[in-house]
Amino acid sequence: DARVTQTPRHKVTEMGQEVTMRCQPILGHNTVFWYRQTMMQGLELLAYFRNRAPLDDSGMPKDRFSAEMPDATLATLKIQPSEPRDSAVYFCASGLTPSVREQFFGPGTRLTVL
Amino acid sequence: ELKVEQNPLFLSMQEGKNYTIYCNYSTTSDRLYWYRQDPGKSLESLFVLLSNGAVKQEGRLMASLDTKARLSTLHITAAVHDLSATYFCAVDIGAGSYQLTFGKGTKLSVIP
Repeated sequence: DARVTQTPRHKVTEMGQEVTMRCQPILGHNTVFWYRQTMMQGLELLAYFRNRAPLDDSGMPKDRFSAEMPDATLATLKIQPSEPRDSAVYFCASGLTPSVREQFFGPGTRLTVL
Repeated sequence: ELKVEQNPLFLSMQEGKNYTIYCNYSTTSDRLYWYRQDPGKSLESLFVLLSNGAVKQEGRLMASLDTKARLSTLHITAAVHDLSATYFCAVDIGAGSYQLTFGKGTKLSVIP
C-alpha cells in the first residue's frame, strides 16, 4: 500500500524553538512538494523538489524556513526560529513527473507554536 | 499569476438533491484535479481531467473540464451524508512547472 508518510503528526512547541518535519515520498516518485494549510490562506505551496533538486521555494519565508532532500526517501522542512503565525497543517505530497504529475498527499503535520 | 476561484465556498444541501460546484481559472491549463478533504484529514485525489471535454464519474460525483471557458464543474447527484467534506480544485499550468494552484475549497454539508 504505497503512501506518503509524514512525521510527526502533531507538534506543539514554544515560540523560538526549532521545528523539523519529515516526509517519506512514495517509492519511485521523483517530485516532492511541501504545502501549508491555514483557514485564512488555504493551501499554499512552500517548496518543491524534483530528483532531489530544489526547483522552487519562492513560497517559503527564507529567513526562517528551509527545505532539503538529503536522499530520495526523505524530505525535511525546518523552521528556525518558529513563531505563532507558523501554526498550520503542513502537507507533503509526492508525484512522478513529467509523466503522471498527479500529486499524492501525506497525512500532514499539525504544528502549534505557542 | 494564476488564479483559481471556486464557488460556492459553502454549500448546504439536503440528501437526495443535486448540485454543482464550479471552478474557474485565469490562464491556460492542460490539466485539472479535484481533491476531497475530510475534517482533520489529508487530501484525497478524486479526478484528474486531462483535456478539453474530459468527463469523469465516480459514484455520485461527476467532473468535467472545458478548457476554452477555463471552467471545471463537479456535479453531485442525489447527495448522501457521506459526501460531506471540503472539495478542492487545483490547476496545473504545465510548461515544466509541475506546480498546482488550489482553489479555496467548497465546504459541502449534506443534511439528512
